[in-house]
Amino acid sequence: DAGVIQSPRHEVTEMGQEVTLRCKPISGHDYLFWYRQTMMRGLELLIYFNNNVPIDDSGMPEDRFSAKMPNASFSTLKIQPSEPRDSAVYFCASSLSVDTQYFGPGTRLTVL
Amino acid sequence: GENVEQHPSTLSVQEGDSAVIKCTYSDSASNYFPWYKQELGKGPQLIIDIRSNVGEKKDQRIAVTLNKTAKHFSLHITETQPEDSAVYFCAARRDDKIIFGKGTRLHILP
Repeated sequence: DAGVIQSPRHEVTEMGQEVTLRCKPISGHDYLFWYRQTMMRGLELLIYFNNNVPIDDSGMPEDRFSAKMPNASFSTLKIQPSEPRDSAVYFCASSLSVDTQYFGPGTRLTVL
Repeated sequence: GENVEQHPSTLSVQEGDSAVIKCTYSDSASNYFPWYKQELGKGPQLIIDIRSNVGEKKDQRIAVTLNKTAKHFSLHITETQPEDSAVYFCAARRDDKIIFGKGTRLHILP
């Protein structure tokens, strides 16, 4: 199994630009999670999906953030417009249940 | 909501010695407590977990203990090795959310 796949691995962009992060979960997993990791705030849950349906997006910081899961094998996290404070590592994770989550390698986002 | 506190934030131990990381949680309804290891440049990986109906669980050199009354749980690594150097996260699950501690950076000294 290839595990959770995220792209790109690194993204550098300028303030105001749109950023799209992509995730392919492990085949057969019903849950997909998006997390943000920073030194100050640690690992924060942004949003999660169950069977492609968004269940809880209370962690999404602002309207500038949006996430979609058009099918069971693909999800995107979009930031528009991006700001320097959005710089962080963004992780996607998937699982059969909420318990055992498998994380991807992350996308390191730098907004200049 | 759930709050997870983790101590210490940094821990250095001599190779071969034991390491202990401690966590507390606030919500008595939490019932699942995983531990994740994160190596540099990688995503967190689950290394062991414990459920609220169990007091202790072991897997080779790693053990976790849970005190539901005190709302404490701990990770114990014995006979530490260089490859144990990483950041370790404790977490607690309440309903459909897993809340993570801030992490402990473990250094194994030669």
